[in-house]
Amino acid sequence: RKEVEQDPGPFNVPEGATVAFNCTYSNSASQSFFWYRQDCRKEPKLLMSVYSSGNEDGRFTAQLNRASQYISLLIRDSKLSDSATYLCVVDKANNNDMRFGAGTRLTVKP
Amino acid sequence: SAVISQKPSRDICQRGTSLTIQCQVDSQVTMMFWYRQQPGQSLTLIATANQGSEATYESGFVIDKFPISRPNLTFSTLTVSNMSPEDSSIYLCSVRVSYNEQFFGPGTRLTVL
Repeated sequence: RKEVEQDPGPFNVPEGATVAFNCTYSNSASQSFFWYRQDCRKEPKLLMSVYSSGNEDGRFTAQLNRASQYISLLIRDSKLSDSATYLCVVDKANNNDMRFGAGTRLTVKP
Repeated sequence: SAVISQKPSRDICQRGTSLTIQCQVDSQVTMMFWYRQQPGQSLTLIATANQGSEATYESGFVIDKFPISRPNLTFSTLTVSNMSPEDSSIYLCSVRVSYNEQFFGPGTRLTVL
């Protein structure tokens, strides 16, 4: 089993749509969780951290379910500029390494 | 935050040769990482390079193939040795400035013929 697994996508949605990405992780001792965004031919950049209580940043909502070892990212009112690959990132417990999911590609169309 | 630059940004190399990639950070950081990202794939950690100690390599990566230097807190190099076409990839330098945030360089796009 991969350490971090994501919906492979691609997701093709119209502007204004709501889209959700899922991610599962294998190490129950992991403590830190993130969503990164990677535009085509660019480096990954932190989108948001994921907290146990869930957190929201504008149109983006991240949630964590430790019991199910599951993380989600919800994007509301999609914009064309949201088109990118979204990477789920989980720390390797008791270690400073981060493990990256394969990414979910999102295309928002007019 | 951290601003990271990498050199070269891209290169095309012949098999059997070696390429050294440089990573420069605008602030002092303890933890620096080297990743590889093959086309259409996610990031794979090659090694962790902390200043003052030997680099720690992930399974599948060895020092003879990917020697790393970390002479100070703002600079590191990764060498891809005895290259083959399978080494064609994007190589990214990354730093951790806090427990919650990791920054990446723009990457070095390597093509091995």
